Amino acid sequence: QQPVQSPQAVILREGEDAVINCSSSKALYSVHWYRQKHGEAPVFLMILLKGGEQKGHDKISASFNEKKQQSSLYLTASQLSYSGTYFCGTEEMGQGGSEKLVFGKGMKLTVNP
Amino acid sequence: DGGITQSPKYLFRKEGQNVTLSCEQNLNHDAMYWYRQDPGQGLRLIYYSQIVNDFQKGDIAEGYSVSREKKESFPLTVTSAQKNPTAFYLCASSMIMGGTEAFFGQGTRLTVV
Repeated sequence: QQPVQSPQAVILREGEDAVINCSSSKALYSVHWYRQKHGEAPVFLMILLKGGEQKGHDKISASFNEKKQQSSLYLTASQLSYSGTYFCGTEEMGQGGSEKLVFGKGMKLTVNP
Repeated sequence: DGGITQSPKYLFRKEGQNVTLSCEQNLNHDAMYWYRQDPGQGLRLIYYSQIVNDFQKGDIAEGYSVSREKKESFPLTVTSAQKNPTAFYLCASSMIMGGTEAFFGQGTRLTVV
């Protein structure tokens, strides 16, 4: 089952902030965040591995609340280059004990000048 | 340069024909994945594999088949049983799951007419 992302779409002016949320009905062992430009491959942003972990680089950071089975991605002082669709991915136990990586439906971010 | 390659970038087929999408990686990754992307649906998992000669169904495996005869290769066949095959297909690979990032190919856009 796909993790749930919210909101589905956001339009910002350059310099504004945004928060993208990701939640799952299953226990989360890790959360991945990727950004995809239209027609291109998703690009890795960061992974959070344990509850309470927070990471960040440049003006993009993320948190992981294991108890609440949630993660949030924070985009600060957005730039035009931040435009794209953001996906969260969660690792789950699949058939035969193998792990699989499942993604949410994405959040489309548009940053205007 | 190490990477993951999908070919072709665009593919057109007539309804009722099987078609095979190629995915090759030289990153020495054990895990490989196939995702389907439709507008508003995010990335949906079709099949995944963690070792050679072994693979598991994802959330939308019906109408698709895969093989994993070599570590580097994970081809996806879209069969005539797939009711709505027109979509953007993405292949990804990673070290065995456990908090490692996934690398994506550039995707194949399949159009069935």
